[in-house]
Amino acid sequence: QITLKESGPTLVKPTQTLTLTCTFSGFSLTTSGVGVGWIRQPPGKALEWLTLIYWNDDKRYSPSLKSRLTITKDTSKNQVVLTMTNMDPVDTATYYCAHIGRAGLTAQDYWGQGTLVTVSS
Amino acid sequence: QSALTQPASVSGSPGQSITISCTGTSSDVGGYNYVSWYQQHPGKAPKLMIYDVSNRPSGVSNRFSGSKSGNTASLAISGLQAEDEADYYCSSYTSSSTLVFGGGTKLTVL
Repeated sequence: QITLKESGPTLVKPTQTLTLTCTFSGFSLTTSGVGVGWIRQPPGKALEWLTLIYWNDDKRYSPSLKSRLTITKDTSKNQVVLTMTNMDPVDTATYYCAHIGRAGLTAQDYWGQGTLVTVSS
Repeated sequence: QSALTQPASVSGSPGQSITISCTGTSSDVGGYNYVSWYQQHPGKAPKLMIYDVSNRPSGVSNRFSGSKSGNTASLAISGLQAEDEADYYCSSYTSSSTLVFGGGTKLTVL
């Protein structure tokens, strides 16, 4: 059974760096074809894809946010970490992590419950 | 990369069929058979409904189907049920080796 859970601060100040952790179980990020991605959703708005990391450490980033994002994995802890720098109120959103690999190489087939991050002074 | 284009809303009566479109470019939808569809109920995480244009994950009702023609992908739902009322998002792989979502479509079951 695959599960994922996001954790991190619920409130950050403008210009600060956000660090979110996705802790997962039921799969290994060392298995060929497996990946973990991050997606966010501002309140009342659409999903926005941010980044993903594959089992072979291949990393992909949204072109519009690439300069602010870093994704890393710790396979021994079954965790993926998202770092986003220079946070702004427009970055207020629910941040989701998701598994890739049971339904092709690009579809997010299992999702975490999401964590709401508010950016405010 | 620009978000894929979806209608803001669609509606249908119970038992009817509806289709939601997702329009991109030859650099995303039209260039790859890597289109996915997600269903999201209020306050819940998205759920994968269709992957690789037309494949259904295990456990997803066969009332849901996907297709693609040129730069436009479509999600069809037959035999509408009240529980189908939700937001639906498409997603595609892109020529930049990234992913992109659509703007979302709110489905109302009348």
